[in-house]
Amino acid sequence: QQQVKQSPQSLIVQKGGISIINCAYENTAFDYFPWYQQFPGKGPALLIAIRPDVSEKKEGRFTISFNKSAKQFSLHIMDSQPGDSATYFCAAGPGDTGNQFYFGTGTSLTVIP
Amino acid sequence: EPEVTQTPSHQVTQMGQEVILRCVPISNHLYFYWYRQILGQKVEFLVSFYNNEISEKSEIFDDQFSVERPDGSNFTLKIRSTKLEDSAMYFCASSEELDGTVVGYGYTFGSGTRLTVV
Repeated sequence: QQQVKQSPQSLIVQKGGISIINCAYENTAFDYFPWYQQFPGKGPALLIAIRPDVSEKKEGRFTISFNKSAKQFSLHIMDSQPGDSATYFCAAGPGDTGNQFYFGTGTSLTVIP
Repeated sequence: EPEVTQTPSHQVTQMGQEVILRCVPISNHLYFYWYRQILGQKVEFLVSFYNNEISEKSEIFDDQFSVERPDGSNFTLKIRSTKLEDSAMYFCASSEELDGTVVGYGYTFGSGTRLTVV
């Protein structure tokens, strides 16, 4: 069973545009939802994360929108830049340290100048 | 900024051989993890480790795999009798504990070891 479903698989956005990546999860016990950014040859790096007690979290150009009833969350990248070109993974987990996170399949984002 | 260090960055091994992947977690972190990523696929959990013992493991982490914290700084993943399908990027990660609850910062991943089994 795929615990976290992510879409789209790839995304091409013009510089200055908005990039939107969507994820859906299965397990209602999950209460921590991080997004990771991965550049080629590097490990995933935590970008932003949210807990289900809020519906939105914003950090700079990055915003997570969270819909608990629909079990969906999304990453919005405002004013997308070529430097944002990377693979983005959503993840979900119970939030207790030591428990595993379930990762989405990743979205390859390309921002064209 | 503190980082998780993994060595080697790339390892090639013959099928059936044993490999040891090494990691140095962030010094004040108490939880350690191994994940793997088969080329072009999602990141998959292998095992978590806390207080010198495995706290959780996935079905991927069978008897072929073992983890160890041989000293105060290193965290290793041993794969016995490697198979072709073990070829993947292996990521070590660590996280800290604060007042018995998750810090909320998620993991810090290393840059990974690319394991190629031939």
